[in-house]
Amino acid sequence: AQKITQTQPGMFVQEKEAVTLDCTYDTSDPSYGLFWYKQPSSGEMIFLIYQGSYDQQNATEGRYSLNFQKARKSANLVISASQLGDSAMYFCAMREDSGAGSYQLTFGKGTKLSVIP
Amino acid sequence: SAVISQKPSRDICQRGTSLTIQCQVDSQVTMMFWYRQQPGQSLTLIATANQGSEATYESGFVIDKFPISRPNLTFSTLTVSNMSPEDSSIYLCSSAEGAGGPYGYTFGSGTRLTVV
Repeated sequence: AQKITQTQPGMFVQEKEAVTLDCTYDTSDPSYGLFWYKQPSSGEMIFLIYQGSYDQQNATEGRYSLNFQKARKSANLVISASQLGDSAMYFCAMREDSGAGSYQLTFGKGTKLSVIP
Repeated sequence: SAVISQKPSRDICQRGTSLTIQCQVDSQVTMMFWYRQQPGQSLTLIATANQGSEATYESGFVIDKFPISRPNLTFSTLTVSNMSPEDSSIYLCSSAEGAGGPYGYTFGSGTRLTVV
């Protein structure tokens, strides 16, 4: 089974509107971390936001917020006031803190976001 | 967080040849990883580069095809051997510091490889 599922291969959003990118995850580890990365066409991986499994509040970083619903195992990224520069691939990733493979990041398939002027 | 210099940024190689990709980190880091990203796809972990010992490879990746070195805590190389067009991908290295917390992961800028 996939550990990270991103069900939206592509999304369109009007400039200045908000958009939600979906991410669900699967783990039995009680301690884990969830990440969102942005990858523009240049290929670099840009860290956006992080949510720890024990964090009580949803993470926010500027225009980015993470809608963390632990019981549903979802960690959706919300981008407010979209800008043309937000057009990129967005990856959700998870780090599981126990057992073999600790510190490895597992990535979802990504969502290609296109911002329309 | 650490900064990684990855070289080369891109290359076009003939099938059957090998390419070595280098990653230099500006500080000592606990873990280093190598990923492959095929066109339009997600990042797939190739291996964890272990300092002073053999790398730990993920299922589907073997040392003969992707030999990895990590001679110290700031440097690692990945070689793509006996290349075929199917090896055309972006290859990224990554480092993790400490407990790999929110700001503990850094990525190189990637190597865009085309095999002809």
